[in-house]
Amino acid sequence: KNEVEQSPQNLTAQEGEFITINCSYSVGISALHWLQQHPGGGIVSLFMLSSGKKKHGRLIATINIQEKHSSLHITASHPRDSAVYICAVTYYGGSQGNLIFGKGTKLSVKP
Amino acid sequence: NAGVTQTPKFQVLKTGQSMTLQCAQDMNHEYMSWYRQDPGMGLRLIHYSVGAGITDQGEVPNGYNVSRSTTEDFPLRLLSAAPSQTSVYFCASSLGVGLRAFFGQGTRLTVV
Repeated sequence: KNEVEQSPQNLTAQEGEFITINCSYSVGISALHWLQQHPGGGIVSLFMLSSGKKKHGRLIATINIQEKHSSLHITASHPRDSAVYICAVTYYGGSQGNLIFGKGTKLSVKP
Repeated sequence: NAGVTQTPKFQVLKTGQSMTLQCAQDMNHEYMSWYRQDPGMGLRLIHYSVGAGITDQGEVPNGYNVSRSTTEDFPLRLLSAAPSQTSVYFCASSLGVGLRAFFGQGTRLTVV
């Protein structure tokens, strides 16, 4: 079964800390997505990547295709970064390329 | 440009009742999908559509129906609600399969 594993499940940080959330997957993928779900419930796509690294503001996403692993980094974390971060992948040969989701990492940033 | 509009935001149903969750997008996206989100689990695919007139089942389709008569709309119908369908439902759309997804605000459904 194709699976997406995230770690840690829960993460508490102090404001200003550097944060890393990890995602691993089991077979070849065509793309990996990082999503953010705020306490209000809405889900927003942060990144879609298939190789290398992408940066947007204080957020950086990296992927290592050989190791089947991706990381989401948040620099200079802020309480407004508190949210659930979700990793999702599209597998080669998957049913119509649908997304397979991890269970999410709940991040809480304390002031 | 409203993106993906999903209604209602909250709903309480009695067991056996039917209802339709509405989803509309104004981005001319071909691909639309419905997911459910349950505690301790990742989002799971219920049904999806790769274009008007084409729908297919996802991972957890039982108890749900969909149709896609236009590119913009993709309603999800609960035929006879059961407590196991208590969940948060998300509609999403993208230009194509596996591409960046845009999500609706979610519907919190409780079946009593």
